Amino acid sequence: NAGVTQTPKFQVLKTGQSMTLQCAQDMNHEYMSWYRQDPGMGLRLIHYSVGAGITDQGEVPNGYNVSRSTTEDFPLRLLSAAPSQTSVYFCASSYGVSDRVNSPLHFGNGTRLTVT
Amino acid sequence: AQKVTQAQTEISVVEKEDVTLDCVYETRDTTYYLFWYKQPPSGELVFLIRRNSFDEQNEISGRYSWNFQKSTSSFNFTITASQVVDSAVYFCALNNDYKLSFGAGTTVTVRA
Repeated sequence: NAGVTQTPKFQVLKTGQSMTLQCAQDMNHEYMSWYRQDPGMGLRLIHYSVGAGITDQGEVPNGYNVSRSTTEDFPLRLLSAAPSQTSVYFCASSYGVSDRVNSPLHFGNGTRLTVT
Repeated sequence: AQKVTQAQTEISVVEKEDVTLDCVYETRDTTYYLFWYKQPPSGELVFLIRRNSFDEQNEISGRYSWNFQKSTSSFNFTITASQVVDSAVYFCALNNDYKLSFGAGTTVTVRA
């Protein structure tokens, strides 16, 4: 059981380049999300999805796009990378995150992105 | 809007000392969930405990214990008789409305 798989583990981009961070889960979780982790700021929610075809913005969505065409996959796209997007990115999934169903997040191992 | 505050940035203790991590939260909702996650030096994030807003019963699990007080909006976490393997960043988190908000984290260093 692989859980949440993120690729790549490391990436270096030049300013203005675009790329996609991949995230896949094999637990049939409806809820998936992307966070970025910066020193002293904890984890901040970028985008989330409550099911295939449904996405919504989190706390820091600017500069990022997501889509959810399948239950398993939730890629994060950086449209035009900027140095401010240098961070560690975590994908997470859960059976459910709402008032009625609230199970813990399962995290991927993270992607360390550097934008020069 | 919801907010989680972990006022302690870093805590350093000697092995076998107790460590208490503070967490204060703000939310307008009456139904919500609170979590603690651990991030060891290897970088992965590990779930420790979940509490809902209707369950104020405190819990002890091995060397870990949690103190949830709704009246003061606090959800504190204690490690008893700390060990070097407890060295990690600990995050408190609050969830409602499909969004999980994390505190800034407290770095715990346990020295042998």
